[in-house]
Amino acid sequence: DTGVSQNPRHKITKRGQNVTFRCDPISEHNRLYWYRQTLGQGPEFLTYFQNEAQLEKSRLLSDRFSAERPKGSFSTLEIQRTEQGDSAMYLCASRPQGKTQYFGPGTRLLVL
Amino acid sequence: SQQGEEDPQALSIQEGENATMNCSYKTSINNLQWYRQNSGRGLVHLILIRSNEREKHSGRLRVTLDTSKKSSSLLITASRAADTASYFCATDGGGGGADGLTFGKGTHLIIQP
Repeated sequence: DTGVSQNPRHKITKRGQNVTFRCDPISEHNRLYWYRQTLGQGPEFLTYFQNEAQLEKSRLLSDRFSAERPKGSFSTLEIQRTEQGDSAMYLCASRPQGKTQYFGPGTRLLVL
Repeated sequence: SQQGEEDPQALSIQEGENATMNCSYKTSINNLQWYRQNSGRGLVHLILIRSNEREKHSGRLRVTLDTSKKSSSLLITASRAADTASYFCATDGGGGGADGLTFGKGTHLIIQP
């Protein structure tokens, strides 16, 4: 399968713990995006990378959220000191320049 | 923040009927896209219409765009049970400079056999 992959697919954690999600984009796609989707809502844009450069991060929900793409390939999204309100689906998407975005299956986070 | 608003929020029709969903948005756009999301699965891109286009077709899908009214519609003809999903419109280029898509809340479509 050469689509966007995300791991893990599900994560249950206790409030206050840190969690990290991984996204592996389609190999030739230089742009990578993270979104959050809560129940009954559409995805909400969080941040994006062009190669290894994070060009937009003002939409990250708080300073507890951070993302990296160290070598311009896979990316990680970390949430520190998780809160129950962080429970959501976290989606990753990638695309080559000028084309549409291809989404991964998402990581569903439940914070207890 | 959500820019697009889909209407209706939910739609239930019989298999074989046509389904129409509408989307309104607030700011200027480069293009508007429609995505489908099945329960528990990721988003699948359906069709993109550019701001200088008024209508586009892809298989059983027909999309219209009215930039003067900041609205779009998605028509699915001859619906099938497999079309049951949530449908989202997403705009590109009007969201304050960020390069991400701005999604609406979606229309949940149920096709009854």
